[in-house]
Amino acid sequence: EVQLVQSGAEVKKPGESLKISCKASGYSFTKNWIAWVRQMPGKGLEWMGIMYPGESNARYSPSFQGQVTISVDKSTSTAYLQWSSLKASDTAMYFCARNAIGSQWYFDLWGRGTLVTVSS
Amino acid sequence: EIVLTQSPGTLSLSPGERATLSCRASQPVNSNFLAWYQQKPGQAPRLLIYGASSRATGIPDRFSGSGSETDFTLSISRLAPEDLAVYYCQQYGFSPITFGGGTKVQIK
Repeated sequence: EVQLVQSGAEVKKPGESLKISCKASGYSFTKNWIAWVRQMPGKGLEWMGIMYPGESNARYSPSFQGQVTISVDKSTSTAYLQWSSLKASDTAMYFCARNAIGSQWYFDLWGRGTLVTVSS
Repeated sequence: EIVLTQSPGTLSLSPGERATLSCRASQPVNSNFLAWYQQKPGQAPRLLIYGASSRATGIPDRFSGSGSETDFTLSISRLAPEDLAVYYCQQYGFSPITFGGGTKVQIK
């Protein structure tokens, strides 16, 4: 089955670090871009950044540049989103998504989301 | 960055009626690279339309997209109870990718 399986919900304190994951299966991981999308409680979708597994550098939205790091591990077909120092404002649902074709960044496959709660 | 403005914010219609959702871009969207997603409560978004008017795999023909440049529309003919959701437009013609704020469709 073609799917993206995300890691489970996290509860963290401000200042802590975190790395969440998105494991792809059922398709060739290196042929599609993987993006991360944030959805704050009760709010809309925000594109954070995207990475092509065959490249070494991710591309970020200016709003998230320097705030998070996107990476991939081709050996395990897994994408990651990480924070070095969480803030309460990072509380949100985070979705990974696969682009549909080529370099067109619309997304035909989504993970179920990872809920991150940051609270003291 | 391209700002996408969706209207109305909320749409309340009866089953069988036609829903018309608008997405307006702050500048022309390159090559009509405009997609629509449906997000039901507690679920991940689902791709409905790409390239402004092409239906994604498995999407019923009740859903249709149209428009170009700065004005795009998602139409849902014959609204069904399972269409209760928030609908988002997304442009992917320019980086950064941007999403509209969403239109919530309620079923009377």
